[in-house]
Amino acid sequence: SQTIHQWPATLVQPVGSPLSLECTVEGTSNPNLYWYRQAAGRGLQLLFYSVGIGQISSEVPQNLSASRPQDRQFILSSKKLLLSDSGFYLCAWSVHPGDTEAFFGQGTRLTVV
Amino acid sequence: SQKIEQNSEALNIQEGKTATLTCNYTNYSPAYLQWYRQDPGRGPVFLLLIRENEKEKRKERLKVTFDTTLKQSLFHITASQPADSATYLCARGSQGNLIFGKGTKLSVKP
Repeated sequence: SQTIHQWPATLVQPVGSPLSLECTVEGTSNPNLYWYRQAAGRGLQLLFYSVGIGQISSEVPQNLSASRPQDRQFILSSKKLLLSDSGFYLCAWSVHPGDTEAFFGQGTRLTVV
Repeated sequence: SQKIEQNSEALNIQEGKTATLTCNYTNYSPAYLQWYRQDPGRGPVFLLLIRENEKEKRKERLKVTFDTTLKQSLFHITASQPADSATYLCARGSQGNLIFGKGTKLSVKP
C-alpha cells in the first residue's frame, strides 16, 4: 500500500534562518506531488506541484522553493525565513491531478520567531 | 480568474439533522470536484469525487451533487453526528494542480 511521510511534525525557526521540509511517498511511482500551506484559520494554499522529476510549478511567488530530486521525494526550502512563513505545511500526492484522490501527509507546524 | 468558493465559513446544526455544504465555482468548468474532511492539526482526508456527467454520488451517509448549470456542488451529511464535526473542503483539479476552497467548519451539537 502507498504511504506518505512528512517530517518534522513541528519546527520553530528564527527569522532569517533556512528551511528544509522533506516529503517522501512509498508504494507508487511517478506520483503528482504537492506542497500546501495553511495559515491559522485560513484555507489550503497551493504552493508548488510537480508532475515528474525536476518538474516544479509554482503557484504563488514567495521566498520558498521546491525541488524533486527523486521520483518520490519532494522538498520545500527557503534560504531566509520570514515571520509570514509561519503556518501548517502539508505535502500530498495523487495518481492524476483532479480526477483521483489526493493523499496528505501529517503536516509540519512551522513557527517562525 | 478561476475560483472555487465555499461561502459559508461555519455551519452549526443539531445532531440527527442533515448538513448541507455548498461549493461554487466561477470562470471555468471543472470536469471533477472532490470533497475532503479535515480535523484540527491533521491533513485533509478524501471523501468523495464527482464527475461533471454525474448528477449525484453517495457513500454511506454522504451525498454529493454536481450542478453544471448553477456551477455548484452540494455536500450532504444525513443523520449527522457530533463525530462529523470537522472542516469540509471542496477541491478541483486542473492542469496538474489541485486547488481547494477555504472550507466550511461544521459543528454538530448533541
